[in-house]
Amino acid sequence: AQTVTQSQPEMSVQEAETVTLSCTYDTSESDYYLFWYKQPPSRQMILVIRQEAYKQQNATENRFSVNFQKAAKSFSLKISDSQLGDAAMYFCAYNFGAAGNKLTFGGGTRVLVKP
Amino acid sequence: KAGVTQTPRYLIKTRGQQVTLSCSPISGHRSVSWYQQTPGQGLQFLFEYFSETQRNKGNFPGRFSGRQFSNSRSEMNVSTLELGDSALYLCASSARGNQPQHFGDGTRLSIL
Repeated sequence: AQTVTQSQPEMSVQEAETVTLSCTYDTSESDYYLFWYKQPPSRQMILVIRQEAYKQQNATENRFSVNFQKAAKSFSLKISDSQLGDAAMYFCAYNFGAAGNKLTFGGGTRVLVKP
Repeated sequence: KAGVTQTPRYLIKTRGQQVTLSCSPISGHRSVSWYQQTPGQGLQFLFEYFSETQRNKGNFPGRFSGRQFSNSRSEMNVSTLELGDSALYLCASSARGNQPQHFGDGTRLSIL
């Protein structure tokens, strides 16, 4: 069974600084997708970024970028120029390519942004 | 484009009752997935429906069931409610497999 691990329960960052969230996963598959979702206190899960495993290039979305290391099964998220609105729970998630939509989530990392 | 709509937002039930939650996906999306979120177990996958057929199922007891209608709207039913079923239930839709899932605001279910 696939597992996703986020080893940092909480991270704190100063406004305008950079923070990196860690995620590791375990799978025997070669075709899969990885995601980072953000869940603010309003509780709606918002997609931050998506990475296809077959793509070597790291995905980037504005201030958010990932470092995807397929051999190491590592998928970290970097938030640059942190803003107060970035404060939320961040979840790393895995989806096996051929299985439809069945996300396996990590335990989450709470990001606190200090003004 | 309207997002994923879940109703109701809050629900209070007692042990032994049953409950039905509703999810209307984004227009044009045919895949609907359900997740349970609790402080202790985190986010867990319940099931996925695609074109009215259950395509994936998580490790939940048979008390948890679902269905999808021809307009892609989905319902989730939980029978014989237990205290441990208290959770935030999230629904997500996508156009097809492996496309990003878009989540609703969830239904907060409390069991007394």
